[in-house]
Amino acid sequence: SQQGEEDPQALSIQEGENATMNCSYKTSINNLQWYRQNSGRGLVHLILIRSNEREKHSGRLRVTLDTSKKSSSLLITASRAADTASYFCATDAIDTGRRALTFGSGTRLQVQP
Amino acid sequence: DTAVSQTPKYLVTQMGNDKSIKCEQNLGHDTMYWYKQDSKKFLKIMFSYNNKELIINETVPNRFSPKSPDKAHLNLHINSLELGDSAVYFCASSQETLDTQYFGPGTRLTVL
Repeated sequence: SQQGEEDPQALSIQEGENATMNCSYKTSINNLQWYRQNSGRGLVHLILIRSNEREKHSGRLRVTLDTSKKSSSLLITASRAADTASYFCATDAIDTGRRALTFGSGTRLQVQP
Repeated sequence: DTAVSQTPKYLVTQMGNDKSIKCEQNLGHDTMYWYKQDSKKFLKIMFSYNNKELIINETVPNRFSPKSPDKAHLNLHINSLELGDSAVYFCASSQETLDTQYFGPGTRLTVL
């Protein structure tokens, strides 16, 4: 399976609710990034968390990282219809020496107004 | 100002044709990429250039040839297009290879 897999694949919630997406990866990393992709658009960087960090906040976004479990979560609080998008995690697999980020398959979030 | 731009946005063509997609970034970044996103939204890197030098070529058929005339431009030329090439192609840039990446709006290629 892929380095960086999001769970769930799809999520539908009501406006105002919180949305949680998870990402699992396989190799050691220096950092993990989360991106958002609106329909028909390119990916937009949301937040980067380093391997020595456990939690990071940016506005309504909260990202956690558990390197022992090789997993990260993205929490969007008080969701809005405008948060409807696909969310991707991306990792740098330092064990492989590969000089590229690996993106997961994404979580499609639908926020119902 | 658009940070990463690519043209065209849509490309519809017949099998066997040759086509090019252009990408430009005005962020002053050293690294540029081409990604392919399939119908299931899976994003896969194709090529990466750092200071005009090819550093990643991910088992892409040699029908695909990237060209970087300068640090700000990375074009993608595709020969003998096949049905399976239909996808959305994204250009991106970053300062270093593992830094935050900035994506273009994508080019939706449809091969008939």
